[in-house]
Amino acid sequence: GESVGLHLPTLSVQEGDNSIINCAYSNSASDYFIWYKQESGKGPQFIIDIRSNMDKRQGQRVTVLLNKTVKHLSLQIAATQPGDSAVYFCAEKRTGANNLFFGTGTRLTVIP
Amino acid sequence: EAGVAQSPRYKIIEKRQSVAFWCNPISGHATLYWYQQILGQGPKLLIQFQNNGVVDDSQLPKDRFSAERLKGVDSTLKIQPAKLEDSAVYLCASSAMAGQAYNSPLHFGNGTRLTVT
Repeated sequence: GESVGLHLPTLSVQEGDNSIINCAYSNSASDYFIWYKQESGKGPQFIIDIRSNMDKRQGQRVTVLLNKTVKHLSLQIAATQPGDSAVYFCAEKRTGANNLFFGTGTRLTVIP
Repeated sequence: EAGVAQSPRYKIIEKRQSVAFWCNPISGHATLYWYQQILGQGPKLLIQFQNNGVVDDSQLPKDRFSAERLKGVDSTLKIQPAKLEDSAVYLCASSAMAGQAYNSPLHFGNGTRLTVT
C-alpha cells in the first residue's frame, strides 16, 4: 500500500557533525511535505516544510531536499547539537486531502 | 503566543471504563485536529474540525470514540468503553487556515498519555 516511510529508524552523530535524515514516500499526488521534531514527552514541533514544486528549502541550520523523481525527502541539520536529539517525522499532505500522513520516525541521537 | 493546551497529561484507566481529554487550541485557530500516536509510530488523524463542524472523521472508531468542539474553540475527545489497544498518546493540534495549507503548519499540544490496563 501507499505509505510514508523512513530508511533508517535510528541515527547517531557526533556533536558538530551534519545530520541527514531520509524519508521515502510513495504517493505521487502529495503536494506538500513537512518535517517535525518530537522530543520525549512533547508534541511534534514544526521544523520546515516544502511544496512539491520546489526542490530545496533552507531554514536556520536545516535544509529540506525534495527529489520527486525518486519520491525522496531529506532533512539536513548542520552542526548538530545535543538539543537536536529527538525523533524526526516526515509528513505528507496528499492533493485533495485535508490532513497529514506521518511516517514512523527516525530517532536522532547526538553524541557529545 | 500561547501554545495548544491539553489536559490531563496522563491518565490510567481499566478497560471498559470511559475517559475524556480536553484541548484548547491557539487563539484564533479555526482548524482543530485530534491525533492518536501509538508508541513507536507517527501520529494518526482521528478527527478534524473546521470551527465547530467536522471536516474528516473517517478514521475515528465511532462505536467508542466521540469528539465535539462546542462554540468552535475548545474540544473534548471521549472514549467509552476503552480497550487495551487504545493505549497511546492523544495529541491535539490546531492551524490557522483550513486544512494543512502551506505556511500554516499544525501546532501540536504535548498530548495526553493514556494507559488502559
